[in-house]
Amino acid sequence: ETGVTQTPRHLVMGMTNKKSLKCEQHLGHNAMYWYKQSAKKPLELMFVYSLEERVENNSVPSRFSPECPNSSHLFLHLHTLQPEDSALYLCASSPSPIDTGELFFGEGSRLTVL
Amino acid sequence: GQQVMQIPQYQHVQEGEDFTTYCNSSTTLSNIQWYKQRPGGHPVFLIQLVKSGEVKKQKRLTFQFGEAKKNSSLHITATQTTDVGTYFCAGPMEYGNKLVFGAGTILRVKS
Repeated sequence: ETGVTQTPRHLVMGMTNKKSLKCEQHLGHNAMYWYKQSAKKPLELMFVYSLEERVENNSVPSRFSPECPNSSHLFLHLHTLQPEDSALYLCASSPSPIDTGELFFGEGSRLTVL
Repeated sequence: GQQVMQIPQYQHVQEGEDFTTYCNSSTTLSNIQWYKQRPGGHPVFLIQLVKSGEVKKQKRLTFQFGEAKKNSSLHITATQTTDVGTYFCAGPMEYGNKLVFGAGTILRVKS
């Protein structure tokens, strides 16, 4: 139990589907993140939210749409994805986005795009 | 742009042998963090180093931060099968205070 819960753990979708990934943190943190982990590549930061405001968008294609309704929940809405978007999507939280301290990761959502 | 490089990419050792992974940054870092990801798992924080030349130990793991704060290493003494996984280093970006991760070193241990 990491304190950061992601659902679903596995997702298979077609290129025309619309789906969402959900992340919930129970740690009282103020910052939440989406990372993409592809095989043989470093973890890629996608989005950062601080107190429900997006503070970073790392040149992510618009087919990925984040939503942060409150400081405990983070969503990643997916639509018209490409097969190269298949990856492990990791949610993380930290007490503050300013202080680069420890990141607490969820277990990830393994996405396969057919 | 700012880069964090890790070597080796992959290492396969016999149980009981030592293991070291190295991390090098293109810029000076205010701190460096190490994470471990077990196969099929998610990254888990191990430690953060802040001071130049700092050395920290966690049981069989020894972490070092270089004097110039541009490199770091993780050394495991007498590896065990429970040590298998990918070890990542991460450092804050020069601007924006966001973490940049290395590509990781995959450790496999033969028993």
